[in-house]
Amino acid sequence: KNQVEQSPQSLIILEGKNCTLQCNYTVSPFSNLRWYKQDTGRGPVSLTIMTFSENTKSNGRYTATLDADTKQSSLHITASQLSDSASYICVAPDNFGNEKLTFGTGTRLTIIP
Amino acid sequence: KAGVTQTPRYLIKTRGQQVTLSCSPISGHRSVSWYQQTPGQGLQFLFEYFSETQRNKGNFPGRFSGRQFSNSRSEMNVSTLELGDSALYLCASTPGTAQETQYFGPGTRLLVL
Repeated sequence: KNQVEQSPQSLIILEGKNCTLQCNYTVSPFSNLRWYKQDTGRGPVSLTIMTFSENTKSNGRYTATLDADTKQSSLHITASQLSDSASYICVAPDNFGNEKLTFGTGTRLTIIP
Repeated sequence: KAGVTQTPRYLIKTRGQQVTLSCSPISGHRSVSWYQQTPGQGLQFLFEYFSETQRNKGNFPGRFSGRQFSNSRSEMNVSTLELGDSALYLCASTPGTAQETQYFGPGTRLLVL
């Protein structure tokens, strides 16, 4: 069964600090790995999409890495801001080339001033 | 360009009733996917429609059904509501090609009493 596991479940850091969120996936065949940000009460917003040939991808202060050999991905947030408080969800398609996605349960990040 | 819209935003129903949710994708997008989000299970894929045809389906009972119209708008129907159907229902659209960014709507929060 395809699975996406994320850690930690929740994280609290001070504003201005960096943090790294982890994602382990067991999806085969592998197509791409996505990170989404979801603010409370709103729909998820895509941060990055990475294919198996990409090791790193950045979107502003967000940098995602992918190790296709170990099936691990991480999302690094630099110089955190209060607006970064949200759930971060790691996502992988179940089957190559379609939109049937398997979602991780997310990491709840709280930035405190 | 207008984003994905969902109506209604909030809904309260009682057990045994049925409900219809609506999703209007971004103009030009032909694929619409539906997801259920609960605190315990996270985001789970319901089904995806492309050009009025169901292209993918998740592991939900037959009480959950959907359709897509020629203008790409989609509806989701849940019959014989159960307490466990209480959730945030999200739809997302893409132009239709795999591995594209999904754009989510704000969701419909359904409460079943």
